[in-house]
Amino acid sequence: GESVGLHLPTLSVQEGDNSIINCAYSNSASDYFIWYKQESGKGPQFIIDIRSNMDKRQGQRVTVLLNKTVKHLSLQIAATQPGDSAVYFCAENFQGAQKLVFGQGTRLTINP
Amino acid sequence: DVKVTQSSRYLVKRTGEKVFLECVQDMDHENMFWYRQDPGLGLRLIYFSYDVKMKEKGDIPEGYSVSREKKERFSLILESASTNQTSMYLCASSAGTIQETQYFGPGTRLLVL
Repeated sequence: GESVGLHLPTLSVQEGDNSIINCAYSNSASDYFIWYKQESGKGPQFIIDIRSNMDKRQGQRVTVLLNKTVKHLSLQIAATQPGDSAVYFCAENFQGAQKLVFGQGTRLTINP
Repeated sequence: DVKVTQSSRYLVKRTGEKVFLECVQDMDHENMFWYRQDPGLGLRLIYFSYDVKMKEKGDIPEGYSVSREKKERFSLILESASTNQTSMYLCASSAGTIQETQYFGPGTRLLVL
């Protein structure tokens, strides 16, 4: 269940519409990025990753866009389904760093 | 598929108890990680290990220790549990360099009374 005080950005979309979830990263030296999906009560699940030598990568129903100029990452989900309801968060890493840095996440809710 | 398993989904312990959280991965990954996840604070790295018997402190190691005696197993130990250690604990593993995807287990929700 939800915890009181959990203040995540929320995105509500109609079932069947496309969803765009955004992430701003802070380190201009970051060169590897991952999107995760976390359903309630479960661990984060890998969705898609992208390296800084690319600006777009596509998976099944998902596309990640990377804009290094403005340090912005987005996840696009096509034809959003009820099963896409979750918290989505991005993670970044730069070469030589020993850990990923995770964003706070965005809660995606699907309206029937 | 990568599989990361954690020994318990839910645990209830009393203040002062010693708590062991176990994590096992089946993909021969070199790197393993322990995080805790709290509302409003996101994922915070406690400890990680890049090889057997090796460990590195993360951002919030105080009150925790770890053990990695075998490549596939990474244990998180709370020497004397406290109420502020009530949290969701997530284990992850990754192959090779840090610039590989981390795969997470299902999490252990720990309540310390």
